[in-house]
Amino acid sequence: KAGVTQTPRYLIKTRGQQVTLSCSPISGHRSVSWYQQTPGQGLQFLFEYFSETQRNKGNFPGRFSGRQFSNSRSEMNVSTLELGDSALYLCASSLGVGRNQPQHFGDGTRLSIL
Amino acid sequence: GQQLNQSPQSMFIQEGEDVSMNCTSSSIFNTWLWYKQDPGEGPVLLIALYKAGELTSNGRLTAQFGITRKDSFLNISASIPSDVGIYFCAGPRSTSGSRLTFGEGTQLTVNP
Repeated sequence: KAGVTQTPRYLIKTRGQQVTLSCSPISGHRSVSWYQQTPGQGLQFLFEYFSETQRNKGNFPGRFSGRQFSNSRSEMNVSTLELGDSALYLCASSLGVGRNQPQHFGDGTRLSIL
Repeated sequence: GQQLNQSPQSMFIQEGEDVSMNCTSSSIFNTWLWYKQDPGEGPVLLIALYKAGELTSNGRLTAQFGITRKDSFLNISASIPSDVGIYFCAGPRSTSGSRLTFGEGTQLTVNP
């Protein structure tokens, strides 16, 4: 059974550019969440989607946005990139929402801002 | 807000030793999750706990959901070199079933 697939694995951008990251959940999973991982802040929640609707959003500026498609695949977009956006962006999927639906993570997209 | 305090931050042990790490919170959690992350990869779910007092094993790993619902423990028995990695505890915020709060992680090093 295929796991969560994130593309691309690595990305290098410069300040001011924008970027789109993609996530394909485990087959049958309808909930997708995004997290940012940095050495200083650890793993921080960005947003969660279920049935193409954003259910939760973390404390990130409006430059960070996302969406989910009818096939449950999800994308996140970061506009006007800043140096501090350099991080590992992780996508996680679960069957549904709720505490009994553990999340399974992809291997992430490593974003470096020059 | 809800925060998870994980300790120790790092551990250096000899192969064959047992390991114990824990996670505490000032708030109640209704689910505790333990993940392991290897370099260059995403976190992998090791154990999920859903009931206070629950004790669950996965091979050499054993985790417990504290009866106060404010803590959890992960034990690794007879460690091997491939146990090296960062171990995270996590739990969903009480207001939302899916939004996870993570501990700071425990970096485990196993010397052969």
